[in-house]
Amino acid sequence: KQEVTQIPAALSVPEGENLVLNCSFTDSAIYNLQWFRQDPGKGLTSLLLIQSSQREQTSGRLNASLDKSSGRSTLYIAASQPGDSATYLCAAYGQNFVFGPGTRLSVLP
Amino acid sequence: GAGVSQSPSNKVTEKGKDVELRCDPISGHTALYWYRQSLGQGLEFLIYFQGNSAPDKSGLPSDRFSAERTGGSVSTLTIQRTQQEDSAVYLCASSLFRQEPYNEQFFGPGTRLTVL
Repeated sequence: KQEVTQIPAALSVPEGENLVLNCSFTDSAIYNLQWFRQDPGKGLTSLLLIQSSQREQTSGRLNASLDKSSGRSTLYIAASQPGDSATYLCAAYGQNFVFGPGTRLSVLP
Repeated sequence: GAGVSQSPSNKVTEKGKDVELRCDPISGHTALYWYRQSLGQGLEFLIYFQGNSAPDKSGLPSDRFSAERTGGSVSTLTIQRTQQEDSAVYLCASSLFRQEPYNEQFFGPGTRLTVL
């Protein structure tokens, strides 16, 4: 059974810092790994999707990497801004879509 | 184009009542997924539809939960005899297909269900 964990559970940084969010999964038989953002009381916004055949994806200040062999993905956020404050979820899509518990990010002005 | 839509956005019901939650996927998307997000529980998979194939119901928590997808488009999640522990946000997502590279999931805004 797939298990997805995320470290850290919460993170508070000053504006402008570069930061890394970590996601680990136990079963490497996945179709893709997707990173989402969730704002309080809102639905999920897809940030980046890395297919199983890919190693990384980039969108603006975001870069996500995938290492299936080690069961790890990282989301790198460059030059963080207060508007980046949200909960970041990773999800591994194999037999089913299994979400991690999320990292709650606060970027302080 | 239009994204995934869900209705109602909020639903308050009394314990023991039945509720129906609706999901309209992105037009042309063959795969549709239901999840729920409970306070302190994170997101959990409920059920998955792919085209005309039999749905994957492995995530449904009890036989009080059922879902159907009519005409390969709109889906309805039904919860019978609701219990307080059913209170959660129910999220629907769709993707073009399940296979790479068409399997990016797009989520609706969710339905917040409160069982009193």
